[in-house]
Amino acid sequence: KQEVTQIPAALSVPEGENLVLNCSFTDSAIYNLQWFRQDPGKGLTSLLLIQSSQREQTSGRLNASLDKSSGRSTLYIAASQPGDSATYLCAVNRMNSGYSTLTFGKGTMLLVSP
Amino acid sequence: DVKVTQSSRYLVKRTGEKVFLECVQDMDHENMFWYRQDPGLGLRLIYFSYDVKMKEKGDIPEGYSVSREKKERFSLILESASTNQTSMYLCASSFRGRYTEAFFGQGTRLTVV
Repeated sequence: KQEVTQIPAALSVPEGENLVLNCSFTDSAIYNLQWFRQDPGKGLTSLLLIQSSQREQTSGRLNASLDKSSGRSTLYIAASQPGDSATYLCAVNRMNSGYSTLTFGKGTMLLVSP
Repeated sequence: DVKVTQSSRYLVKRTGEKVFLECVQDMDHENMFWYRQDPGLGLRLIYFSYDVKMKEKGDIPEGYSVSREKKERFSLILESASTNQTSMYLCASSFRGRYTEAFFGQGTRLTVV
């Protein structure tokens, strides 16, 4: 059974710092990995999608990497801002009864202080 | 932009009531999903659907059923709501295939009293 772990569970940094969020998964047989952002009481916003054949994806100040063989992904946030405060979730797209579905980590809660 | 819309942001229902949570997507996605999110447990898949009138059980289907009569709409049904079904419910959709991106709705916070 696929398990997804995110470390740290919570992170507090001052504005302007570069930071790294970690995601690990137990079964490397994935199709892709997706990073999401969730604001309190809201739904999930897709940030980046990395296919299993890719090593990294970039969007603005965000960079996500994938090492499928070791079961790891990182989300790098450059020059953090208070508006980046949210919970960040990673999810792996895996086979489930012949179909592909997402399995989620429990998230990293990020607080960026002014 | 992809739009996944859940019919209610907040719902309060009584124990034993039949509850319908509705989800509509406007991107002609074949796949639709229902998750619930609880503190300490994360997001867990309840049911999913890959086509009209088709459904598959996820990891925690007990106490729930679903309906997909039209491609754009996926309903989650709590036949007899219980307090342990108090949760945040999230709907998602994606195109068919293994390598597609999932998009989520804004969530429904359901409280069963």
